[in-house]
Amino acid sequence: DIVMTQSPDSLAVSLGERATINCKSSQSVLYSSNNRNYLAWFQQRPGQPPKLLIYWTSSRASGVPDRFSGSGSGTDFTLTISSLQAEDVAVYYCHQYYATPYTFGQGTKLEIK
Amino acid sequence: EVQLVESGGGLVQPGGSLRLSCAASGFSFSTNWMHWVRQAPGEGLVWVSRIKSDGSITTYADSVKGRFTISRDNAKNTLYLQMNGLRAEDTAVYYCARDIDLSMWGQGTLVTVAS
Repeated sequence: DIVMTQSPDSLAVSLGERATINCKSSQSVLYSSNNRNYLAWFQQRPGQPPKLLIYWTSSRASGVPDRFSGSGSGTDFTLTISSLQAEDVAVYYCHQYYATPYTFGQGTKLEIK
Repeated sequence: EVQLVESGGGLVQPGGSLRLSCAASGFSFSTNWMHWVRQAPGEGLVWVSRIKSDGSITTYADSVKGRFTISRDNAKNTLYLQMNGLRAEDTAVYYCARDIDLSMWGQGTLVTVAS
């Protein structure tokens, strides 16, 4: 199984400041035939289902504000929130859909400092 | 409205069975891979199973293989998860989700396995 490891486990950032969450996979999730990294990011607010933010490493899902961006390739990935807003308080998960069993990172809890 | 609505959760004794349903609306259900993902109370997300658009391919996490069966009825726009031999560790909110990148999720249904 591909193990997804996020860092940090929790993060406190001031409003308007940048938040960065890292995700490392135990093996590459880059599919060479189409040069795509099968890596997504989800946001889960308390009491809500997860919401897709980023797919194919860096493509924003419909309706997602452009302060959210994703980057990386192979085994190392990053989710960046350029200017933290109050509504961004949530747990964030990275997810690989390169191979079954699909797996998720353990989650990063983002709070306001 | 584009949505997924899960149902069928509840309290069941260890060793019991339950069938979850996920009703889809507002999109072309029959052309999408569908998945079940679960989340134990206070824990992270765990992928459970997937099924191809025409039902011809199914895949399971090792933890549920042989006990759970995923299926779909494209005429009814509904996804199912038959859960047999339930264990305490199966207690979780079960979500259905759409597409390879889990682009859309339902609100979830809670399954509690306890005596």
